[in-house]
Amino acid sequence: ETGVTQSPTHLIKTRGQQVTLRCSSQSGHNTVSWYQQALGQGPQFIFQYYREEENGRGNFPPRFSGLQFPNYSSELNVNALELDDSALYLCASSLVGGGSYEQYFGPGTRLTVT
Amino acid sequence: SQQGEEDPQALSIQEGENATMNCSYKTSINNLQWYRQNSGRGLVHLILIRSNEREKHSGRLRVTLDTSKKSSSLLITASRAADTASYFCATPDNNAGNMLTFGGGTRLMVKP
Repeated sequence: ETGVTQSPTHLIKTRGQQVTLRCSSQSGHNTVSWYQQALGQGPQFIFQYYREEENGRGNFPPRFSGLQFPNYSSELNVNALELDDSALYLCASSLVGGGSYEQYFGPGTRLTVT
Repeated sequence: SQQGEEDPQALSIQEGENATMNCSYKTSINNLQWYRQNSGRGLVHLILIRSNEREKHSGRLRVTLDTSKKSSSLLITASRAADTASYFCATPDNNAGNMLTFGGGTRLMVKP
């Protein structure tokens, strides 16, 4: 167990709807990253938050947005859901500036868009 | 796009045998990491090797890094059924904090 939690575990939404996924970082970590993992593929970086500011973004459209809160928990919001958004969404926390590059992943949220 | 590409995509071996997975990447790195993922769950960090290291060991794991060939390998010795999982290499983007770029993974099945 990494100490990173995500909710919900599973979610089913309809195309066009909006969804919010939540992540609680490991204690002491100041950075959270979100990844999308399609079935049978490696995780793809969505964006990263450091001290409540977006600190890097992958090749994802603006309808993917996020927040990081003062307690370092985080949200991933996806608007206007598309069928291709069906995937496992992983958050990972880390400590930038602590000399470690290791990321600690949560168990993921499985999103199905119908 | 994937920075790292693993080879093979799938590997099936008997318990007790060794498993070797390879990873290639495209740009310069300061470290390379290997992660493990049990079916449909979160990733677990296995080992990190820095760009100035050529080999690193952790228990039954041995990782090598060849920066001239932009490649790395992960060796699992004396495999167990519990090693059945997907294994990913990942490289950090030096200009984007701790952002990781993952390969497509090797799916390892260890038969008892």
